[in-house]
Amino acid sequence: QSALTQPASVSGSPGQSITISCTGTSSDVGGYNYVSWYQQHPGKAPKLMIYDVSKRPSGVSNRFSGSKSGSTASLTISGLQAEDEADYYCCSYAGSSTPFGGGTKLTVL
Amino acid sequence: EVQLVESGGGLVKPGGSLRLSCAASGFTFSSYSMNWVRQAPGKGLEWVSSISSSSTYIYYADSVKGRFTISRDNAKNSLYLQMNSLRAEDTAVYYCARDPRVGATTPIGLSDIWGQGTMVTVSS
Repeated sequence: QSALTQPASVSGSPGQSITISCTGTSSDVGGYNYVSWYQQHPGKAPKLMIYDVSKRPSGVSNRFSGSKSGSTASLTISGLQAEDEADYYCCSYAGSSTPFGGGTKLTVL
Repeated sequence: EVQLVESGGGLVKPGGSLRLSCAASGFTFSSYSMNWVRQAPGKGLEWVSSISSSSTYIYYADSVKGRFTISRDNAKNSLYLQMNSLRAEDTAVYYCARDPRVGATTPIGLSDIWGQGTMVTVSS
């Protein structure tokens, strides 16, 4: 039940696009199309942003998109806004467990 | 309003026990699998356990297997986590969360509704 690998931090200026990667193995990210992404602001509960690799829940901005290539999933945020500054976590199905990534802190410059 | 409210957290000594509860409202609790996810202070999210809608399928992270027990009471719209043999590394905010797939039997890391969390501190 190993954690997925994410960069510790990414940053971008308002209006720019950024991409956060989430690397696993063929036993998790690479083996199934069950990758979710969560946004978490300080002191708050996580919020679902993307599920099943690339699907957006109702109410989530279309500035958020997800994709996957091999064992690496990616979350792209376009048109960065100040309120996007938060921690982002990926999560994948892995058989009988669902490991999270270590989290990525997004800073909007 | 769809809501999950956790309770039962607190300070406990190493080796002690604690039972967390999660009260659900605003949706048909008995139709959904539920998850417990925790977050140690300043750290990332960690999946803890999942239970299917009728309690038939139960899953645990290796880090808590044999020490924690997940259960639910659909008549009371409540989810529970019995935590025994607690260790310092179990110190965390514990969140309950709903899997939005009606009738799901296997957790896939998908949670659409989260509670506000309850803090568990294991310290002497």
